[in-house]
Amino acid sequence: GAVVSQHPSWVICKSGTSVKIECRSLDFQATTMFWYRQFPKQSLMLMATSNEGSKATYEQGVEKDKFLINHASLTLSTLTVTSAHPEDSSFYICSARDLVRLNTEAFFGQGTRLTVV
Amino acid sequence: AQSVTQPDIHITVSEGASLELRCNYSYGATPYLFWYVQSPGQGLQLLLKYFSGDTLVQGIKGFEAEFKRSQSSFNLRKPSVHWSDAAEYFCAVGPNTDKLIFGTGTRLQVFP
Repeated sequence: GAVVSQHPSWVICKSGTSVKIECRSLDFQATTMFWYRQFPKQSLMLMATSNEGSKATYEQGVEKDKFLINHASLTLSTLTVTSAHPEDSSFYICSARDLVRLNTEAFFGQGTRLTVV
Repeated sequence: AQSVTQPDIHITVSEGASLELRCNYSYGATPYLFWYVQSPGQGLQLLLKYFSGDTLVQGIKGFEAEFKRSQSSFNLRKPSVHWSDAAEYFCAVGPNTDKLIFGTGTRLQVFP
């Protein structure tokens, strides 16, 4: 099956610093990847759609300047949380859709737990 | 508004008992429907999905779900629960396979 890998699995950073999270499709190409956020004991909320070679599309209420998304290749999207604060602590999960198998589900990464102290 | 409701926040069952997790949705058209399972600190694993066709779909690990259009429901079932099924279960809908709207999840606890 298709594999999506996120790195790192967990990260602790100081308030005010920036953190980059990578999302890679290991055995398929993805023109589109999705970034979700999950607060403790809550559901996943779509943050943005990452499009290879173009600007990301952000959902309402998500700060573009705070959550920078770069989708530079067909297998890699990155989410950078800039000037992180404790309220940004969350579980971030990406998903990617296979460019070739269009009618299959998007595949999820294992997630990245961010803790801002 | 588009939404997914999982009425049961927490369910506890004995190992070997049957299980049904409820999912109701509000959507303008016939959506794509999914059930995912999440173990603590892990990502999401797809259990099953419904796009079209037979309304009773079979998934992995012995799970099945039935799409009932008249009730806007997509309940997940398993005839006999195993201790390893303890996890968080999410129902999701979408216009296709992208941009999913997730329910708030149901935490399943299994007693031996």
